[in-house]
Amino acid sequence: ETGVTQTPRHLVMGMTNKKSLKCEQHLGHNAMYWYKQSAKKPLELMFVYNFKEQTENNSVPSRFSPECPNSSHLFLHLHTLQPEDSALYLCASSRVGGGETDTQYFGPGTRLTVL
Amino acid sequence: AQTVTQSQPEMSVQEAETVTLSCTYDTSESDYYLFWYKQPPSRQMILVIRQEAYKQQNATENRFSVNFQKAAKSFSLKISDSQLGDAAMYFCAYRRDDMRFGAGTRLTVKP
Repeated sequence: ETGVTQTPRHLVMGMTNKKSLKCEQHLGHNAMYWYKQSAKKPLELMFVYNFKEQTENNSVPSRFSPECPNSSHLFLHLHTLQPEDSALYLCASSRVGGGETDTQYFGPGTRLTVL
Repeated sequence: AQTVTQSQPEMSVQEAETVTLSCTYDTSESDYYLFWYKQPPSRQMILVIRQEAYKQQNATENRFSVNFQKAAKSFSLKISDSQLGDAAMYFCAYRRDDMRFGAGTRLTVKP
């Protein structure tokens, strides 16, 4: 369970705050992902980075801004969020093109509450 | 768009018994991957089992096995000899280009 770590585990913020979520993977993977998990809804893919390059942005509002400085670290910068953005934010990583065939490994998530 | 459907929001099973969780998906592709993930309460989502669509043989991992019916686009998970630690949300997922998840099935294990 320590292959993908996320900090903080819990975050409460006001709508005018700026905060960042951090993800780190120790598995030697080359792709990283941000997902949003809301109650009673399927996981929603937000962003994909392959080899540090963003390859997918699934119509995510600009108040969410990802950053991938290297293949081991991924950030999600939050600004002017809305209460409906409250959710569990999951980070995942995988090896693209390797024998594991893109099996994604997840972090424990950050439980975000927007007041 | 590929969709993944888990028709059972909740399931329960008696300890030591067997339970099957259902999953269907919609795709026009012939080459893809299917996964079952487990998410215990307040804990990390972990991979339970994976299946390559080109393989006819059903994947197994200890007490976990799948029934993969490619023509029917069905991918059910069977848990044998259920244990209390199996209680969790179970998510079925499909991957071709990106990963698509079902809404999940909450499994309760009764002692």
